This record gives sequence, C-alpha cells and structure tokens, in this order.
Amino acid sequence: GESVGLHLPTLSVQEGDNSIINCAYSNSASDYFIWYKQESGKGPQFIIDIRSNMDKRQGQRVTVLLNKTVKHLSLQIAATQPGDSAVYFCAEIVTGGSYIPTFGRGTSLIVHP
Amino acid sequence: DVKVTQSSRYLVKRTGEKVFLECVQDMDHENMFWYRQDPGLGLRLIYFSYDVKMKEKGDIPEGYSVSREKKERFSLILESASTNQTSMYLCASTGWLAGVGDTQYFGPGTRLTVL
Repeated sequence: GESVGLHLPTLSVQEGDNSIINCAYSNSASDYFIWYKQESGKGPQFIIDIRSNMDKRQGQRVTVLLNKTVKHLSLQIAATQPGDSAVYFCAEIVTGGSYIPTFGRGTSLIVHP
Repeated sequence: DVKVTQSSRYLVKRTGEKVFLECVQDMDHENMFWYRQDPGLGLRLIYFSYDVKMKEKGDIPEGYSVSREKKERFSLILESASTNQTSMYLCASTGWLAGVGDTQYFGPGTRLTVL
C-alpha cells in the first residue's frame, strides 16, 4: 500500500467483491495502528484500529490483520460498495513515545458498479 | 460525536499575504496537529501542540508558525504566503497518550491556493 513516485497504488474492484488493502510499516516499536479512509476533497476518517497485542480485529464489513513478524497490516473490506471508493492509508504509532503517527501514503480504491 | 472543525474549506490568497488557518475541537483533547497533504507525498507534520501555549516543530515547520492560546483552538499561520504553500491543510486532535480508544481525529481540511 505504499505509493511510488507521484502515483498512489490503485486497487480496482467490482461492487460486491471483497477488497484487501495492504500497508507495510517501518518501526518495530510501533504498537498501535489505525486505518483511515479519505474521500476526495475531505479529511481522513477513522475506520478501525488495532493494538499490537492483537492480530485481528473486526468491525462492520471491515477487518484489520496485523502481522508483526513482517511488519504488515491489511484492511479487508467485505462486499465492497461504490461508496467505499476512496484513498485508504494506515498510521503506525509508538504509544509509549511522542504519539506522533507515521502515515503510509495510501492506496486508491476504485469500486465499479 | 467527535468534532474537529476548520475555519475554511477553500481559501485563495496572494503571494506575500499573511494567512490564518483556524482549527477547533470540542473533545477537550490536549494534543493538536497541523499537517499538509500533497499528491504523492502523503501527510506531513508541520507543527503540533501538547497543551495550551505549547508547540513543537514537526517535519516541515519552515514558513509556518502556530498559536495555541486556548485548549480547543490551534491556529496555523503563514507569515508570508508563497506559491509552494499551495496545499491541503489538515488539522487533527487526539487525547492525552494513546490509551484505549484514543485516536487521531481529523478536520475536513482547508484547500489553500496561493497565487
């Protein structure tokens, strides 16, 4: 889920499909992770979070998986809808430190009706 | 319900003008942040504040200053706007330390264009 150059990675899916968006994080000391959704022209919205003592957390239609061994986070969206079209990015935080999040650059999800 | 508001959604200013971007949160959060967001560069931290009258530089503070006179309000100031400050500016706030359920909440953003 990291961008290369000026272009965000893009995931195109059909309505009703499941989507998986990935994020590689950099700091092995990070122990709190957040996924955000950002629609065009709007501020990021919190979707779901997970702490490092968990490897999976489920919300409504969304699931976050955490693999600390390879420092990888994924966001799964079930039954993707056109309203899910947005940029999704992750944030990693060291809660015992300054609490300054480090953000991934995002993945653009496009859902085709 | 969590609320972070920003004074303007869109702003157009001329080079050399002084620009004020205001952010207000109603969650009694101690920590507030200003970011800018540019295509391909993601979110970059300009300044943050842990408490009233406290401020810390982020990754890209040059050309900006901030003011936190009240807990709920965090202002970003461009002393002399330049064209390379054309960007989307996002304010965020979070509760003291990342306790259970604490997270960073964002405002809707201000898209600033400097001509």
